[in-house]
Amino acid sequence: DTEVTQTPKHLVMGMTNKKSLKCEQHMGHRAMYWYKQKAKKPPELMFVYSYEKLSINESVPSRFSPECPNSSLLNLHLHALQPEDSALYLCASSGTAGKKTGRQYFGPGTRLTVT
Amino acid sequence: GESVGLHLPTLSVQEGDNSIINCAYSNSASDYFIWYKQESGKGPQFIIDIRSNMDKRQGQRVTVLLNKTVKHLSLQIAATQPGDSAVYFCAENNWVTGGFKTIFGAGTRLFVKA
Repeated sequence: DTEVTQTPKHLVMGMTNKKSLKCEQHMGHRAMYWYKQKAKKPPELMFVYSYEKLSINESVPSRFSPECPNSSLLNLHLHALQPEDSALYLCASSGTAGKKTGRQYFGPGTRLTVT
Repeated sequence: GESVGLHLPTLSVQEGDNSIINCAYSNSASDYFIWYKQESGKGPQFIIDIRSNMDKRQGQRVTVLLNKTVKHLSLQIAATQPGDSAVYFCAENNWVTGGFKTIFGAGTRLFVKA
């Protein structure tokens, strides 16, 4: 199974709401990633988890809070977002150091709209 | 032909022709380079990768060329098909403590005319 799944596919939330994005993989990968992608732009790295520990935070605002409950799951908790946070949020997973070139497997993304 | 402007750079090719998509990268010390394909409504999908100690790698219908002197990467697609229409991103990949840090290029939209 080389699939990364993400739920929900679409999410509309107000600026005062709290919501969560979920990501799951069953490839045994120990590195998982969150990316943000605006329209007509490349994905931008937000967070990297390695062995369930946060290893990279690309200076992401605290209104985005990642969580890795176990080696297969990755969540992104959202609170007090701004309209400019509307984007496609992509989850990915990969092997860790020594695993070839770090090829990442991406999920289909969650399309987030903040109203 | 290829155009660059306010929108994503676009390359239009005729079905059956070969396509060449170019990418300039920034970090001369990057370890790995990967090409991804992103279709509308989907996440990026791996196409081919190359280590920094190589200058060419071939896959099925695709070839990646790496020129470290000028920090340039290209993706060649042979006998382009309508199903190849998508946005193509090059990516620099470096292992840092705890994970791969990936920086994507701006992307090129490939449009295949039947």
